[in-house]
Amino acid sequence: KNQVEQSPQSLIILEGKNCTLQCNYTVSPFSNLRWYKQDTGRGPVSLTIMTFSENTKSNGRYTATLDADTKQSSLHITASQLSDSASYICVVGGAGSYQLTFGKGTKLSVIP
Amino acid sequence: NAGVTQTPKFQVLKTGQSMTLQCAQDMNHEYMSWYRQDPGMGLRLIHYSVGAGITDQGEVPNGYNVSRSTTEDFPLRLLSAAPSQTSVYFCASSQGARSYGYTFGSGTRLTVV
Repeated sequence: KNQVEQSPQSLIILEGKNCTLQCNYTVSPFSNLRWYKQDTGRGPVSLTIMTFSENTKSNGRYTATLDADTKQSSLHITASQLSDSASYICVVGGAGSYQLTFGKGTKLSVIP
Repeated sequence: NAGVTQTPKFQVLKTGQSMTLQCAQDMNHEYMSWYRQDPGMGLRLIHYSVGAGITDQGEVPNGYNVSRSTTEDFPLRLLSAAPSQTSVYFCASSQGARSYGYTFGSGTRLTVV
């Protein structure tokens, strides 16, 4: 069964600090991996999309990495801001399929 | 503003009632989909459409119907609401299903009592 596991479930960091969120997946065959940010009460917003051949992609202070061999991805947030407080969801797309497998998300809280 | 519009934002239904959740996008996206988000779970696909007149079932389709008569609209119908359908529903659209980013609507919070 295709699965996406994220860790930690929740994280509290001080404003200005960096953090890294983890994502492990078992989706096969693999097509792409996406990271989304979901603010409370809002729909997810796309941060990055990586295909098999890409091992890193940045979007401002967000940098995602992908190791397709170990089926792991990470999302690094640099110089966190209060507005980074949200859930971060890892999503994996399988090759030849329209369906995506969503992780449960990591809830990040950035405190002053 | 361009994007995905969902209505209503909130809805309370009684068990057995029916209703339609509306979804419209103005980006000329071919792919549209409906997800539900429940506490402690990842989003789960209910139904999807790869173009006008074409729909297919996702992971959790029971109790829901969809149709796609135009590129812009993709309504989700609850036939006979059950408490298990209490959830937050998101509509999403994409230029192409496999390699493009999805644009999500702001969600409909549905409570079935």
